[in-house]
Amino acid sequence: KQEVTQIPAALSVPEGENLVLNCSFTDSAIYNLQWFRQDPGKGLTSLLLIQSSQREQTSGRLNASLDKSSGRSTLYIAASQPGDSATYLCAVRVDSNYQLIWGAGTKLIIKP
Amino acid sequence: NAGVTQTPKFQVLKTGQSMTLQCAQDMNHNSMYWYRQDPGMGLRLIYYSASEGTTDKGEVPNGYNVSRLNKREFSLRLESAAPSQTSVYFCASSEGVGSYGYTFGSGTRLTVV
Repeated sequence: KQEVTQIPAALSVPEGENLVLNCSFTDSAIYNLQWFRQDPGKGLTSLLLIQSSQREQTSGRLNASLDKSSGRSTLYIAASQPGDSATYLCAVRVDSNYQLIWGAGTKLIIKP
Repeated sequence: NAGVTQTPKFQVLKTGQSMTLQCAQDMNHNSMYWYRQDPGMGLRLIYYSASEGTTDKGEVPNGYNVSRLNKREFSLRLESAAPSQTSVYFCASSEGVGSYGYTFGSGTRLTVV
């Protein structure tokens, strides 16, 4: 059974720092992996999608990488800003399966 | 504003009461989903509707029923609420099952006492 883990559960860093969020999964036979952002009291926003054949995806200051063989993905945030404060979740789609398997998220706080 | 609208935003129920959570999307998406989110856990799929007229069970369907009323609307019903159903419920939609471009509603915080 696929399991997705995000460590740490919470992270606090000063504004301006580059940071990395981690996502690990137990079954390397994934279809794709997505990173989402969740703001308090709001829904989830899709950030990046990496297909199983890809190694990384970039959007602005965000870069997501995928290493299927090791069961890991990282979300790199450059030059962090207070507006980046949110909970970041990763989710994997398993081959021949319709649903996403979610991590519990990393709560990120960027201190001004 | 285009997106997914959920009602209500907050609800308190007594054990054994029933209620329906409403969800509507205006993006002409084919697929709709109901998730629950519990503290310290990832989102878990309750039910989904791949297209109008179809519904299927997700990971945690027990105690819930759904109705895909039309292409826009997908409701979730709790027939006899239990404290274990205390959670935040999210509705989402996408162009197709498992495809990119999930749009989530803002959630319903449900407490069962």
